[in-house]
Order: sequence, then C-alpha cells, then structure tokens
Amino acid sequence: DGGITQSPKYLFRKEGQNVTLSCEQNLNHDAMYWYRQDPGQGLRLIYYSQIVNDFQKGDIAEGYSVSREKKESFPLTVTSAQKNPTAFYLCASSSRDRGRGTGELFFGEGSRLTVL
Amino acid sequence: GQNIDQPTEMTATEGAIVQINCTYQTSGFNGLFWYQQHAGEAPTFLSYNVLDGLEEKGRFSSFLSRSKGYSYLLLKELQMKDSASYLCAVRGGGSSNTGKLIFGQGTTLQVKP
Repeated sequence: DGGITQSPKYLFRKEGQNVTLSCEQNLNHDAMYWYRQDPGQGLRLIYYSQIVNDFQKGDIAEGYSVSREKKESFPLTVTSAQKNPTAFYLCASSSRDRGRGTGELFFGEGSRLTVL
Repeated sequence: GQNIDQPTEMTATEGAIVQINCTYQTSGFNGLFWYQQHAGEAPTFLSYNVLDGLEEKGRFSSFLSRSKGYSYLLLKELQMKDSASYLCAVRGGGSSNTGKLIFGQGTTLQVKP
C-alpha cells in the first residue's frame, strides 16, 4: 500500500537534546512538507521541499533543520534552539503532476513530541 | 500578509445541515482545500476548489468565490462521526502544483444528538 510513514509516533525528549523525526513516502511524490500543530490550532509550515536536494523555509523554520537526499525521505531535526518544541508534527507529500489530481497533500499519522 | 479566517467552534444537531465559512487573503491563489481532522489524527482531504462555484461530493459540498476571497464547506445530513475539526487551506501563487498550503486555524464542529 502506498502512503506516508512517520516515526516515532510518540517521542519524549529532555531539554537541550536534538531529536530527528523520520518521514518516508512511497507515493513517488516530488514535494514533501513538515507542519507543526499546537492544541486547538491549525497547521503551521516548518519546511518544504519540491525536489530532491532542495528545500525552503516555511513560516516557523527557526530551531529546525531538514534534509532531502532521497525522493522518498524528508527527516526533520528539532534542535535545542527550538524554544517550545512540544507539539504534534505532521509530514505530508504531494504530486507535481497535474494529471495525478489536485496536488492535495497526503499526510502521515503524525509524531507527538513532548519535551520534559 | 497572508491570512485565513474560520470560526473557531460550531455546534449542530445530528441530521441537520451546517455551513463552515472561510475567508482568505493570500499573495496569489492556486486552489483552496478543505480537510477533516479527528482529534489526535492526521488531516484527510475532503475537497478542492480552484474555479468559482460549487463542488459536490456526497454529503459534502464546497463553494468558492475568488473575487470575494471566500469559501464555505457545507455538510448535509450530519452524523455523529462528523464531529471533527475542519481545516481550510489555500495554495498560494505560482505555477507549480506543489506550492505550499497555508492553513487556517480550523473549525471544531460538535454534532449533538
């Protein structure tokens, strides 16, 4: 089955530690995204990548880093510089091919990070 | 700047019809999306509008007016399982089909018996 896999689903971190969230997709999508969601709020864009080896900052990139070395993978590192990292993190992907649909985002199940 | 506004909360009765509004101001426009999100889960795609008018898909319909920067999601024959958050998102300008989506804060809908 095609889809997006995020891991881990739950993660606890001590203050001052970096943590990396995994996102893998087998939909052959070119574009991938990381969003953050806080309780009762919508999704805010952290980083996105439209093609391998290229990525752009979203609205709240400070304290985060990404890489896009493979089409299938877009890991997100939450660094110790992120002042309020406790949140629900969602990875998504979409196709560049207009013939394959509307370009809607397909989401993974999310990773819930808690800083102790 | 870019701004997407939705009501924070709505309540409706099972079997009724509810309309969730969304207004937007963005730099460019390349489509408007509605997503449903149950608590603790990932959003799932509901509808897409890029031209003015109504798109119907079963019990759900979505309307767009680009000149007014306005959209609504209409849910008919409400069921208890429709209790969820509904997210309005706009894809900004540019020719790519993969431009970033900007999301509103979401509308939490509670369906009561």
